[in-house]
Amino acid sequence: NAGVTQTPKFRILKIGQSMTLQCTQDMNHNYMYWYRQDPGMGLKLIYYSVGAGITDKGEVPNGYNVSRSTTEDFPLRLELAAPSQTSVYFCASSYSGNRVGSGYTFGSGTRLTVV
Amino acid sequence: QKEVEQNSGPLSVPEGAIASLNCTYSDRGSQSFFWYRQYSGKSPELIMFIYSNGDKEDGRFTAQLNKASQYVSLLIRDSQPSDSATYLCAGGLPNAGKSTFGDGTTLTVKP
Repeated sequence: NAGVTQTPKFRILKIGQSMTLQCTQDMNHNYMYWYRQDPGMGLKLIYYSVGAGITDKGEVPNGYNVSRSTTEDFPLRLELAAPSQTSVYFCASSYSGNRVGSGYTFGSGTRLTVV
Repeated sequence: QKEVEQNSGPLSVPEGAIASLNCTYSDRGSQSFFWYRQYSGKSPELIMFIYSNGDKEDGRFTAQLNKASQYVSLLIRDSQPSDSATYLCAGGLPNAGKSTFGDGTTLTVKP
């Protein structure tokens, strides 16, 4: 049981380049999330999805896009990378969001540097 | 006011002591609360959840919830150096689809 798998683990982008961060889960979770975490800071929600075909913005969506065509996959697209997007990106999934007994399973993260 | 706030820390305790981590929340409709542990350079991992008033124990960890005071806490008994990490409190409305995370409290357990 792999859980939540993120690729790549590390990436260096040049300003203005684009890339897709991949996230896949094998737990049949309906809920999936993308967070970023800057050094020494908390988690900030970028986008989330409550099921295939449904996505919604979090608190810091600008500069990012997502899609959810299957239950398993939730890729995050960075367009026109900027130094402010240098961060660690975590994907997470959950069986039922905030409901009783749920909780998130996080991937191992992608460390992105924009230069 | 943030939806979920944690005492800012950092918190330092000697080995064998009780570490107390605290969290308050602003929305009375919130029902479930979660504690995550994040080691430096690693991803958060769920260590406990609680949804009923009172205490919930799991080994050396006890989560406490007081809905009247809108207060959640995590106690770590017999703290070990391996407990040194950042602890994140999270919660939210049951139908929100997403948890709101506090900024975390960094705990250091000194041998």
